[in-house]
Amino acid sequence: NAGVTQTPKFQVLKTGQSMTLQCAQDMNHNSMYWYRQDPGMGLRLIYYSASEGTTDKGEVPNGYNVSRLNKREFSLRLESAAPSQTSVYFCASKVQNHPLNTEAFFGQGTRLTVV
Amino acid sequence: QKEVEQNSGPLSVPEGAIASLNCTYSDRGSQSFFWYRQYSGKSPELIMFIYSNGDKEDGRFTAQLNKASQYVSLLIRDSQPSDSATYLCAVTLPGAGNKLTFGGGTRVLVKP
Repeated sequence: NAGVTQTPKFQVLKTGQSMTLQCAQDMNHNSMYWYRQDPGMGLRLIYYSASEGTTDKGEVPNGYNVSRLNKREFSLRLESAAPSQTSVYFCASKVQNHPLNTEAFFGQGTRLTVV
Repeated sequence: QKEVEQNSGPLSVPEGAIASLNCTYSDRGSQSFFWYRQYSGKSPELIMFIYSNGDKEDGRFTAQLNKASQYVSLLIRDSQPSDSATYLCAVTLPGAGNKLTFGGGTRVLVKP
């Protein structure tokens, strides 16, 4: 059971380039999330998807777009990368229908550097 | 005001002592509360969750929730060097499409 899989694990981009971070989960979870984590900081929510077919903005959505391709996959796209987007990106998933006690499972993270 | 706030630390405790971490949240509708541990360079992993007022114990960890005062805390008893990590508090808002929001984390250093 792979859990939450993110690709790629590392990426270096030049300013202005675009790329898509991929995330897939095999736990049949409804909700999926994208976070960024800067050095010494907590997780800041970029976008989330409560269920297939819905997406909502989090705290820091500017410069990003998302696609909930199906129940398993939730991708994050940077249309024109900026150095301020250098960060570690985490994807997570959890069950939606039991809000009281469900654990969010995290991918291994994508370390993105924009030069 | 940030939705979830934590003291960034570092919180330095001697081995064997109790580490006490606090987290406050702004939305009174918050329903579930989580403590995650994150080692440097790794993904967060769940330690405990709590959703009722009072205490919840799991081994050396105790979570305390006070909804009236809007805070949740984590106590680590008999702290070990392996407990040195960043501890992240997280909150769910069920009325916001299962939104899961994290605080900035508290770095804990346990000194032998």
